Formats: sequence, C-alpha cells, structure tokens
Amino acid sequence: DVKVTQSSRYLVKRTGEKVFLECVQDMDHENMFWYRQDPGLGLRLIYFSYDVKMKEKGDIPEGYSVSREKKERFSLILESASTNQTSMYLCASSSQGASDTEAFFGQGTRLTVV
Amino acid sequence: DQQVKQNSPSLSVQEGRISILNCDYTNSMFDYFLWYKKYPAEGPTFLISISSIKDKNEDGRFTVFLNKSAKHLSLHIVPSQPGDSAVYFCAAFGGARQLTFGSGTQLTVLP
Repeated sequence: DVKVTQSSRYLVKRTGEKVFLECVQDMDHENMFWYRQDPGLGLRLIYFSYDVKMKEKGDIPEGYSVSREKKERFSLILESASTNQTSMYLCASSSQGASDTEAFFGQGTRLTVV
Repeated sequence: DQQVKQNSPSLSVQEGRISILNCDYTNSMFDYFLWYKKYPAEGPTFLISISSIKDKNEDGRFTVFLNKSAKHLSLHIVPSQPGDSAVYFCAAFGGARQLTFGSGTQLTVLP
C-alpha cells in the first residue's frame, strides 16, 4: 500500500519559532510537493521538488523554505513562524511518468501559530 | 489569477439523488484532469481522472465529463450516499510537474 507520511498531525508553535514539517514517501517517487489548504482558497502550492537537492517555488513560497537531501524525504521549513501561517499543510508525491500524474497525499499537519 | 475554478463552495443533495460538481479552467495547456476527495483532518485521496483525449470516464458511481471547448469538467455521483459527504477538489495538469487545484466544493449528502 502506497504511503506518504507526515511527521505530525497537529502542531502548535509560537510566533517567531522555526518550524520543521517532515514528509516521507515509500513509492520511490521523483516529485514531492508541499501545499497548504485554507478555507475558500483550496490547495495552494508552496514548493516542490523533482529530484534530490532540487527545489522550485510554487505559488506562495514567501516565508517558507524546503530541503530534499534524500529522495524519500521532503521537509518544509518555516523560518520564523507567523500567525498567518496557521493552516493545514499537505505533502504529496508523484511519479515522473507522463501517465502517472496522480499525486498521493499525506494525512496533513494542522499547524497553529500562536 | 485562478486557473482552475470551482464556483460553488457548497452543494447539498438528498441521498440517492445525483450530485453534480463543476469545475472550469482557463489554461489551454491543461491536458489531464483529476478529482480528489477530502475528509476533515485527512489528506486528499484520488477519486477519478480524465485525459483531454476523452470526454467521459466512468468508475462505478463516479463519472467525469470533459467539455474542452467550454474548458469545463464535471463530476457526477449517482446515487449519492451520506459517506460521499466531503470536500471535492478539481485539479489539472498541463506538462509542468505540479497539479493546479481548484478551491473545492463541500458536498453534503442528506439522509
């Protein structure tokens, strides 16, 4: 059974803290993604990676960075958490093949910044 | 500018009836479309997809229709069941590596 696992289901952090969200996939997928989901805004892409050590900005990268040191792991970093980063964060992965565009999602991390 | 739009934030349907969820897109480069279903506190799960070379794809109770000239797709669920109550996201892929998602429609199926 394919799996994308996010390290935490719920997190509460203080404003200004550095926050790490971890994601691991076991499908040997080349592509990995970080989205955030907010009411009325759907899923917005923060960053994605199509290979180890490669990263590309998505639609809303400000205030975030990412790290992909190993193929199976993709980390999202909030350098200095702010209250407007309170959201549901979703990690996904997909194969690079043209017909395999289905992305598999993790269970999500509900982050609250106070 | 939203390239994938779901203009109905919510939809309520009686159990056993048809649910129709709509999605419009603006980018002519999109050539593969997917629907995802999401329950609260869970990640989205893939439901059904359609390639731009088709106009219909069916999987059990779920059918997706694509009208390329109108840049419109719809998801039909027949018959609707209370367990179908969830947020449904339309997504599109157009050669770039990432999917572009719509804002979602909350479907409520009333028993």
